[in-house]
Amino acid sequence: ILNVEQSPQSLHVQEGDSTNFTCSFPSSNFYALHWYRWETAKSPEALFVMTLNGDEKKKGRISATLNTKEGYSYLYIKGSQPEDSATYLCAFYLFSGNTGKLIFGQGTTLQVKP
Amino acid sequence: EAQVTQNPRYLITVTGKKLTVTCSQNMNHEYMSWYRQDPGLGLRQIYYSMNVEVTDKGDVPEGYKVSRKEKRNFPLILESPSPNQTSLYFCASHRGGGVRNQPQHFGDGTRLSIL
Repeated sequence: ILNVEQSPQSLHVQEGDSTNFTCSFPSSNFYALHWYRWETAKSPEALFVMTLNGDEKKKGRISATLNTKEGYSYLYIKGSQPEDSATYLCAFYLFSGNTGKLIFGQGTTLQVKP
Repeated sequence: EAQVTQNPRYLITVTGKKLTVTCSQNMNHEYMSWYRQDPGLGLRQIYYSMNVEVTDKGDVPEGYKVSRKEKRNFPLILESPSPNQTSLYFCASHRGGGVRNQPQHFGDGTRLSIL
């Protein structure tokens, strides 16, 4: 059974704090890792798609790094704001047979207190 | 505006009463999927479609049907819903060529309660 693990499950920080969380995935047969941001009552939105070991991606105050050899990705949020409160999902691309699919982690729920 | 539209957003119904959740995308995407989200679990794929008239089972297909008669629409059908299908459902689409390096575009979700 392929596991994609995210930690922590939830996180409460104060406005202005920087934070980071982890996505762990199998280190073999790596093709891609996706990060999504999911606000309550809205649809998940793509943040990053990462395909190369050592990839670093940035979008405003949010950045992500990728280590495919050891099987983890970090998501960083610098100077958290209340509007960053959301669940952050990572998804590992699994290629099997002649097709592929995304295997999602359980998510990390971030609450930023003003 | 590029979007994936699901209907209804919320539905409470009873066991055994057939229901359909519609999904439509306006981005001319080949690939569409249905997922369910349950507490403590990641999004799990129910069915997917790589193009018109091409559908296949995902990880949790039991109790569901889909069809893809037109490129833009991918309805999810519960022929005889049961309480264990109470969940939050998402439809998603992306361009063809595989989901490897193309982000998925999600609908707003449908919260189903089966009593």
